[in-house]
Amino acid sequence: DVKVTQSSRYLVKRTGEKVFLECVQDMDHENMFWYRQDPGLGLRLIYFSYDVKMKEKGDIPEGYSVSREKKERFSLILESASTNQTSMYLCASSLLLGVYGYTFGSGTRLTVV
Amino acid sequence: AQKVTQAQTEISVVEKEDVTLDCVYETRDTTYYLFWYKQPPSGELVFLIRRNSFDEQNEISGRYSWNFQKSTSSFNFTITASQVVDSAVYFCALSEESSGSRLTFGEGTQLTVNP
Repeated sequence: DVKVTQSSRYLVKRTGEKVFLECVQDMDHENMFWYRQDPGLGLRLIYFSYDVKMKEKGDIPEGYSVSREKKERFSLILESASTNQTSMYLCASSLLLGVYGYTFGSGTRLTVV
Repeated sequence: AQKVTQAQTEISVVEKEDVTLDCVYETRDTTYYLFWYKQPPSGELVFLIRRNSFDEQNEISGRYSWNFQKSTSSFNFTITASQVVDSAVYFCALSEESSGSRLTFGEGTQLTVNP
């Protein structure tokens, strides 16, 4: 089975810190995604990547950046964390966009204080 | 633009009751895919089903069934004889070819099954 691993389950960071959320998948998928999940808002796409070193903005990219130096790893970066970035962050990967859906990681619950 | 609406924010039932989760979608594409995911308290979204726009056959998998109706743009999910382990957040999602096949999710429905 495809596995998507997010490095941290829970994180607490201070306002203004630079935060890295790491995601690794083990099935050679080209496509990787970062979503945030907030109550009542569902999952919202932050950034995604079709291939190594490629990235595309999603629906809510402000305050975030990403890095994909290797096919299996997709990092989400909060350049200067703010309290409104407190959320659950979900990473996903997929083989064929849209056709087979996504495989998700367990999520990282980030609290910015 | 694609859109998915799950009007039921929370549903609470007693074990063994049947429950239907509603999903309504909007798309201008003729080729699109619909999905349901389950998110248990552990947090990881689990894939349940995928349907393409050309296949309107309803599907049954054990206690789960899905009713896809293009005429009403709905893709509803029914759990028969619900169990406590069905308690989770359920998401409906849509991908369409014209938007690069990105998945757009609904707001989610929190289902609580009480013993």
